[in-house]
Parts: sequence; structure tokens; C-alpha cells
Amino acid sequence: AQKITQTQPGMFVQEKEAVTLDCTYDTSDQSYGLFWYKQPSSGEMIFLIYQGSYDEQNATEGRYSLNFQKARKSANLVISASQLGDSAMYFCAAAPGYSTLTFGKGTMLLVSP
Amino acid sequence: EAGVAQSPRYKIIEKRQSVAFWCNPISGHATLYWYQQILGQGPKLLIQFQNNSVVDDSQLPKDRFSAERLKGVDSTLKIQPAKLEDSAVYLCASRKTGGIFGREGQETQYFGPGTRLLVL
Repeated sequence: AQKITQTQPGMFVQEKEAVTLDCTYDTSDQSYGLFWYKQPSSGEMIFLIYQGSYDEQNATEGRYSLNFQKARKSANLVISASQLGDSAMYFCAAAPGYSTLTFGKGTMLLVSP
Repeated sequence: EAGVAQSPRYKIIEKRQSVAFWCNPISGHATLYWYQQILGQGPKLLIQFQNNSVVDDSQLPKDRFSAERLKGVDSTLKIQPAKLEDSAVYLCASRKTGGIFGREGQETQYFGPGTRLLVL
């Protein structure tokens, strides 16, 4: 079974600073997808960024980038120039092959003024 | 493009009662998922449909949970009878295809707003 590890239960960052949220995954599949989702207090899971295992370049989406280190099975999310609205739970997820998403336990990010 | 719709948004029931949740995926999305998210945890898959066929229901407690997607579009998830430990957020998600992750581009799952269930 796949396992996603997010070691940071909570992170604090000041507005306009960058923050890195850690994620490691465990799969023996060669083909897989890695995802980050944001879940604000309203409860909806908002897709942020995707990285395919065969993608050679790190994915970027606006202020979000995914630091993909395949050999280390690491998929850290980097948020640049944090905003107050970034305060939320962040989930890392992986989907090997045809399998469904397996989520980590999440990291709570709090952005202070 | 409209997102994934779910109803109701909130439900409070007593244990041993039954409850049903409804989901309408993004138009044209063949794959539909139901997840259970207990407070403080990440979502856990309950069941996956490809069109109107069940692909994976290995984590669905079949003695009390059931789900259907009769016409391959919207879906209902039912709990009968409910237990206290069923209190959670039930999330529906959809995906355009059931293709292999990592090979076929950005085949992202999109989530609905969820239904918050409280069993008393």
C-alpha cells in the first residue's frame, strides 16, 4: 500500500515570506502522479499543483512550485510570497499507476501579518 | 465550467438512522470517487466508479454503506444504519478519465464542497 508522510503538523510563516511544506511518498510503481491540495476551513479540497513521475522539470503554478526529488521520493510544496489567504490545511497525495489517490495527514499553515 | 456539486452540505442524524448524500460530477467526467474525511485526517477513498461500474470499493464498509451511479453521471452514497464513528466529511470527486497517473498528462481529481455529517 502507498504511504504519504507529511512530517510537519503545523507551520507558521509571515506574510510575503516563502514556505516549504514537506512530503515524502512510498511507491514501487514507475508511473505515478503527485498532487497538492489546499483545504480551507470551508472544507473544499482545492487542487494546487500536479507532478507526473516522468516529468523532468519541477511543476509550477503561479506562486506554487513542487520540488520533485525522485530518488529521494520527495515532493515538497513551495509557496512563494505567502498571503493571509494561504492559511489552510495542505495535503500531499500520490496516485501510482491506475490506483486512486492516497493522502497524507496534512500540514496546517498559518500566515501571520 | 461548473464544478462538482454535492448536497446536502450539512446533516445531523441520530445513530441507527439512515442518510443519503448526492453528488453530480463535472460534465463529461467518467470517473467518480467518494471519500470519507474524519477530523484531523486526510481523505480516505470509499469507492471509485468508472462510468457506472465500480472499480474499487475495497475500503467501503459494505454492511452499512452503499453507493450507486446508475446512469454513469450523478451518484448517491447511503449509510444505513449510521454509527457515531461515521461522523465525518464526505467528499465527492471526479476525474475526466480513468487513465494511468503520471503518463496521461494532468488527470486531476476535482472535489466538491463536501457534506458534513454529525451522528449523535
